[in-house]
Amino acid sequence: DAGVTQSPTHLIKTRGQHVTLRCSPISGHKSVSWYQQVLGQGPQFIFQYYEKEERGRGNFPDRFSARQFPNYSSELNVNALLLGDSALYLCASSLASNEQFFGPGTRLTVL
Amino acid sequence: DQQVKQNSPSLSVQEGRISILNCDYTNSMFDYFLWYKKYPAEGPTFLISISSIKDKNEDGRFTVFLNKSAKHLSLHIVPSQPGDSAVYFCAASASYDFGNEKLTFGTGTRLTIIP
Repeated sequence: DAGVTQSPTHLIKTRGQHVTLRCSPISGHKSVSWYQQVLGQGPQFIFQYYEKEERGRGNFPDRFSARQFPNYSSELNVNALLLGDSALYLCASSLASNEQFFGPGTRLTVL
Repeated sequence: DQQVKQNSPSLSVQEGRISILNCDYTNSMFDYFLWYKKYPAEGPTFLISISSIKDKNEDGRFTVFLNKSAKHLSLHIVPSQPGDSAVYFCAASASYDFGNEKLTFGTGTRLTIIP
């Protein structure tokens, strides 16, 4: 069975641009969460979606938004990119439990 | 405010010996704890978890111990193998908020197994 997949793998953007990251959960998983991992730190929670509804939001500015589609895949959007947004963005899926399974991540570099 | 702390950034252990990774938490609402392993350029891989109703959970070479009164948990790996070299993250969640099972992570411990 395929695990959590994310695209793209790597992305380079400049300040002020917009970016869209994509995630496909494990088949049957209805919950998708997004995390940001900055170098040297643990992943920080951004959003959780369950059955297409936002169930949780971390301490991130409104420039960050997300949505979940009927097939449970998800997009993370970040507007007006800042240098500090450079990070590894991780998507995780779960069967609405605490045990979350992570994808390989998207490495975003903002120049 | 770091609610989950891993105070040892790195740990080196001889192959075949026991590796012990520690984690402390401050939020008394946390009732589910997980350990993840991460290799470079990959996402975290789930290793083992424990609910606050238990004080020990074992899976093969991996055992997690939970001391609720001390708000401390540890991961034991016996025997340690070279493939265990990775960054290990401790994570916690609070089930009181159903449907919002966000994980709060520590900063990680880099484990190096010396052959």
